Amino acid sequence: RKEVEQDPGPFNVPEGATVAFNCTYSNSASQSFFWYRQDCRKEPKLLMSVYSSGNEDGRFTAQLNRASQYISLLIRDSKLSDSATYLCVVNKPGGSYIPTFGRGTSLIVHP
Amino acid sequence: DTGVSQNPRHKITKRGQNVTFRCDPISEHNRLYWYRQTLGQGPEFLTYFQNEAQLEKSRLLSDRFSAERPKGSFSTLEIQRTEQGDSAMYLCASRPTSGIGADTQYFGPGTRLTVL
Repeated sequence: RKEVEQDPGPFNVPEGATVAFNCTYSNSASQSFFWYRQDCRKEPKLLMSVYSSGNEDGRFTAQLNRASQYISLLIRDSKLSDSATYLCVVNKPGGSYIPTFGRGTSLIVHP
Repeated sequence: DTGVSQNPRHKITKRGQNVTFRCDPISEHNRLYWYRQTLGQGPEFLTYFQNEAQLEKSRLLSDRFSAERPKGSFSTLEIQRTEQGDSAMYLCASRPTSGIGADTQYFGPGTRLTVL
């Protein structure tokens, strides 16, 4: 089993739709979790951290489910500019902050 | 521009040649990471520095790969005797040790390596 698994997609949704991605992780001792966004041929950029209590930033909501070892990202009212690859990131336990990236989920928002 | 910079942005080389990439992190960041990313995959961790100390290396980093950060500022990644399988995007990221954004990695634009 891979350390961090994501459905590669692509998820094809119309503007205004709500879309959700899940990401599972294998190490139950993992401490910190993130979603990064990567545009085509660009570098990854932090979208949001995922806290135990969840995290909301505008149209984006991230949740952590430790019992089932997954994190989720919900995007409401999708915009064309949301089209990108969304990378799930899990830091190895131990404080060294060595991240493991998922392969990413591709989102395409169409008019 | 005070972000992470990487040079060169593109490198085409013949199999068997050596290549070296440079990363200049954000100046106050003392943690620096190298990753490799291939098409359709997420970045794979290669190695990590805190200041000039190389604290962790992935098993992906074969003996043909070496990284340095001699003065705790910029870093270099060298690949010796390149192979076609080395073709990838090589990403550098930096991170502060503490404070706001301490768990955020700031990526450079990457160096795209093509081995012919």
